[in-house]
Amino acid sequence: RKEVEQDPGPFNVPEGATVAFNCTYSNSASQSFFWYRQDCRKEPKLLMSVYSSGNEDGRFTAQLNRASQYISLLIRDSKLSDSATYLCVVFYNQGGKLIFGQGTELSVKP
Amino acid sequence: EAGVTQFPSHSVIEKGQTVTLRCDPISGHDNLYWYRRVMGKEIKFLLHFVKESKQDESGMPNNRFLAERTGGTYSTLKVQPAELEDSGVYFCASSQIAKAQYFGPGTRLLVL
Repeated sequence: RKEVEQDPGPFNVPEGATVAFNCTYSNSASQSFFWYRQDCRKEPKLLMSVYSSGNEDGRFTAQLNRASQYISLLIRDSKLSDSATYLCVVFYNQGGKLIFGQGTELSVKP
Repeated sequence: EAGVTQFPSHSVIEKGQTVTLRCDPISGHDNLYWYRRVMGKEIKFLLHFVKESKQDESGMPNNRFLAERTGGTYSTLKVQPAELEDSGVYFCASSQIAKAQYFGPGTRLLVL
């Protein structure tokens, strides 16, 4: 079983749609959580951190449920420029390494 | 402020040859990480430096891979001898202590 599992993609949605990505992690010792965005043939870029209280950044809302070991990302009013692969990432303080999910591809169409 | 830089951007070599990848972290970042993505798989951790010391090298695939970080500045990752399964994208990332990791553009390695 992978340490971080994400929804299989791709997600094809029209502009303006709301789309939700889910992610589960297996190690309860995980300490920090992130969503990264990766454009085609580019490096991963930090989109936002994820907190138990939930956090919002414009059209993006991230949520963490530690009891269920579940992370989500909601994108509202999707734009063409949101097309990318979204990576669910877990961080362990011990060693400092990031553990990546395989990513979910989003394609926003006009 | 300059981001993480990596060199070369692409490398095509034959099986059995040696390749050295370089990473220059963001100035002032003591933490430097190497990751790799092979086709169809998720990005995986290789190792972590704190300044010039290896903090965690649990992700290094085998002893054909050697990473160094001279003087706690730039880092190199050498693969010798390269095998077909080493093909992939090698990312470097850096961070300050307990802060987010910033990734370089990656080196695309193809071993023929």
